[in-house]
This record gives sequence, C-alpha cells and structure tokens, in this order.
Amino acid sequence: EIVMTQSPATLSMSPGERVTLSCRASQSISSNLAWYQQKPGQAPRLLIYGASTRATGIPPRFSGSGSGTEFTLTISSLQSEDFAVYYCQQYNNGYTFGQGTKLEIK
Amino acid sequence: QVQLVESGGGLVKPGGSLRLSCAASGFSISDYYMTWIRQAPGKGLEWISCISRSATDKYYADSVKGRFTISRDSAKNSLYLQMNGLRVEDTAVYYCARDQEYSSTWYGSWGQGTLVTVSS
Repeated sequence: EIVMTQSPATLSMSPGERVTLSCRASQSISSNLAWYQQKPGQAPRLLIYGASTRATGIPPRFSGSGSGTEFTLTISSLQSEDFAVYYCQQYNNGYTFGQGTKLEIK
Repeated sequence: QVQLVESGGGLVKPGGSLRLSCAASGFSISDYYMTWIRQAPGKGLEWISCISRSATDKYYADSVKGRFTISRDSAKNSLYLQMNGLRVEDTAVYYCARDQEYSSTWYGSWGQGTLVTVSS
C-alpha cells in the first residue's frame, strides 16, 4: 500500500499570508494526486487533480505542484474561508489519503 | 446540478448489518465509477469501495473485504453499500462520491455523509 504523509500536521497562519502544504508518497505516483479541502461538518471538496489542475470553480490562489513522490499545495494569499483541513490522495495504485494538515488562524 | 444524498446510517451492535444508500441526481450513475469513502470521528479519510460504470468491476479495501458489498440500481439511480459483520472500528461517517467516467481516480462530487455507529 502506498502511504501518503502530509506535513505539518497543523499550520497556524494569518489571513493574507502565503502557505505551502506538503504531501509525500512512499513510492512514485507520477502525477496521480488530488487535494481536498474539508471544513467542520462538511464533506471534502476537490481542489486539485493531476497534481496541478484546479477543479471547476476553484479560485486561482490555490495551486498544486510536484510529481513522483513530493507534492505541494500552495495558497497564495489566505482568505478567512481557507482555514480548514487539507488532504492529499493518490490514485496511482489503489487509493490512499494523507492524514491531513489542519490550517488554523494564528 | 450533481447531487448525492446518503441515507441508512444509524446505531448497530457489533456483528450487525446495515445497508447504506446514495441517491444520485443531475447525472446517471451508469455513466460513472462510484465510490464509498469513510471517515472515523476526528480522523482522516479512508477509501472503502468502488464500482465500475458497467458494475462488472468492484473493488474493496482490505479492511472491509468479505464483509461489505457495493452495488447499484440504475433504474433508481442509486448506489448501495451492504455492510455485514460490523465492528466497532467501522464507526464512521460514510460518504458516496462520484468518480470519473472511465476509471476511478479523484472525486469531484460528494454527498453529505451518513453516520454509522457500531456499539454495544
């Protein structure tokens, strides 16, 4: 099973700041990676697929990069609605999620 | 627009059974792979099972293989998850999600989830 490791577990940031979340795969997954945002009491929302393609309706401040085993999700200027938990998911071999990064207000 | 509505969750004793349903609207489930994903309280996401658009291919996580069965009814445009031999560790919110047309990859649409609690 491919293990997805996200870092850090928690990130405290202020609105307007730029933030980068990391996701590492235990073996190469090419670009077969998606990112999701989840707010309390809500279902996850797809942000990025194919490591770097924004899903429909996702603002351009969200961007994804990486391939192989190292991936990042960047939010260029944090808005109040961006504070949430973020998950990465690989679909190269089976389907596994990272444990999540909680983005909280500083 | 695409909508997925899960139902069927509840409290069940260990060893018991439940059948979850996911009613889809705004698209035909016969045109997409469909997937079940769960989230234990305060925990992360776990892929459980998916079914191909033809319903001939079904896949399961090792944690539920042999106990859970995924199915669908195209006439009702609904997805199901039959859960037998439930364990305490199956306690979670169960989400259905729409996959892609020709493969199972990422999940663009999710239901609101239904809570399954396994406890004596």
